[in-house]
Amino acid sequence: EVQLVESGGGLVQPGRSLRLSCTGSGFTFGDYAITWVRQAPGKGLEWVCFIGSKTYGETTDCAASVGGRFIISRDDSKSIAYLQMTSLKSEDTAVYYCTRGRGVVEPAAGYWGQGTLVTVPS
Amino acid sequence: DIVMTQSPDSLAVSLGERATINCKSSQSVLYNSNRKNYLAWYQQKAGQPPKLLIHWASTRESEVPDRFSGSGSGTDFTLTINSLQPEDVAVYYCQQYYKTPRTFGQGTRVEI
Repeated sequence: EVQLVESGGGLVQPGRSLRLSCTGSGFTFGDYAITWVRQAPGKGLEWVCFIGSKTYGETTDCAASVGGRFIISRDDSKSIAYLQMTSLKSEDTAVYYCTRGRGVVEPAAGYWGQGTLVTVPS
Repeated sequence: DIVMTQSPDSLAVSLGERATINCKSSQSVLYNSNRKNYLAWYQQKAGQPPKLLIHWASTRESEVPDRFSGSGSGTDFTLTINSLQPEDVAVYYCQQYYKTPRTFGQGTRVEI
């Protein structure tokens, strides 16, 4: 069974850093791109960052709203993807979901973790 | 960035009736080389992560009831829920995965 489990969320002061982890199981982690999606309280979904598989050069991209502050990376030997968040702002407060495509070349997010809450007080 | 705009923001439908949600993209998400629309629909129930309902604009996930259907091409898409059931109360999102950032619509809340 495919599972994605996020961890590392919590309360963090503005300007500080936090690293989220996404641990995958039930599939060959290195074959799949991983995407982080976030959802502010009571709001809609926002695409955050993406990292491709090694086959596709581990290409990364992040939304302009977090560009330069967030870095996505992966360690396929541990089946973990990371989201390093720096210079955090109150508007980064959200549940952060880790997602995987429904297939190796099927980008639609067929699998989601339960999410981890990041709170940055104003 | 491709802007995804859903309409309406919310709608109330009687049990057994049809719900129709529209999604418009600011540019075409149809990839000419394979003639596929890079558009997905998700359902999010309260307190849960989103669930993929439809990908490639009209291909339903295997466990999704056939009362859910997706249609459209290019820039205009529709999610239809026929014979609405109580368990369909949720927020529905469209998303384009044609290019990054893979933007979402703002969501449509469906109520009974």
